[in-house]
Amino acid sequence: QTVVTQEPSFSVSPGGTVTLTCGLSSGSVSTSHYPSWYQQTPGQAPRTLIYDTNARSSGVPDRFSGSILGNNAALTITGAQADDESDYYCMLYMGSGFWVFGGGTKLSVL
Amino acid sequence: QVQLQESGPGLMKPSETLSLTCTVSGDSINGHVIAWIRQPPGKGLEWIGYIYYTGGTNYNPSHKSRVTFSVDMSKNQFSLKLTSVNAADTAVYYCARYYCPDTVCRGFDYWGQGTLVTVSS
Repeated sequence: QTVVTQEPSFSVSPGGTVTLTCGLSSGSVSTSHYPSWYQQTPGQAPRTLIYDTNARSSGVPDRFSGSILGNNAALTITGAQADDESDYYCMLYMGSGFWVFGGGTKLSVL
Repeated sequence: QVQLQESGPGLMKPSETLSLTCTVSGDSINGHVIAWIRQPPGKGLEWIGYIYYTGGTNYNPSHKSRVTFSVDMSKNQFSLKLTSVNAADTAVYYCARYYCPDTVCRGFDYWGQGTLVTVSS
C-alpha cells in the first residue's frame, strides 16, 4: 500500500521561507495526483490553502504557494509569520476515487 | 457563504452504530460531492470516503465493511453511519465539500467545524 509522506516537523525563522514536501513511498507525485494542502491549528478544523497543485483557495495570502518539486508536491511559505505555526497536511488523489492524506508536518516559527 | 455543520451523539458505547449528519447551508447540495474525514485525538487526518449528491459513493477500503453514506436532498444534508464502533473510532469527524470544476475533483473548498465522537464503555 502506497503511503503519502511528509516531514514530521519543520522549523522556520520569522520572515523566512520554508518548503514542505509531500511524497509517495513508491513513485513520484505529479499534477495527476491533484495535490492539495491544508492548514490546521490546535482545536480548529483544517483550512484549505492550496488545491489542484498550485491554486490558492479564496482568501489565502500569496505567501503560500504550491508546486511540484522533483518527485514531490511542495508547499512554500515565504515571509513566515508567527501565526503560520500550525500543522500542515497534504492530500493526494490515488486514482479509482481514492484519496489519501499525508501524516502532516508540524511547523514551528521561531 | 457556504457552511457545513456536522452533528452527532458525542458519547457512544462500544458496538453501537454511529450516525452523523452534515448539513449544508448557503448553497444547494445539488451538483456537489461531500467527503467524510476523521482525526483521532493527537493524530492526523484520515479520509473515510465521499458521496455524490446523486448518492454515488466511494469508501476507504479500511472502513468499507462498516460505513455507509447517504444523502437527503430535501434537507440539504449528508449522513454517515458506522457500525460496531470501538475505542479506535474515537475521533473528530469532519465533512468537507470537494471542489469539482469538471469530472475530476481537485481538493476541498469548504470544511465543517467537526464533531467529536468518543467511544467508551
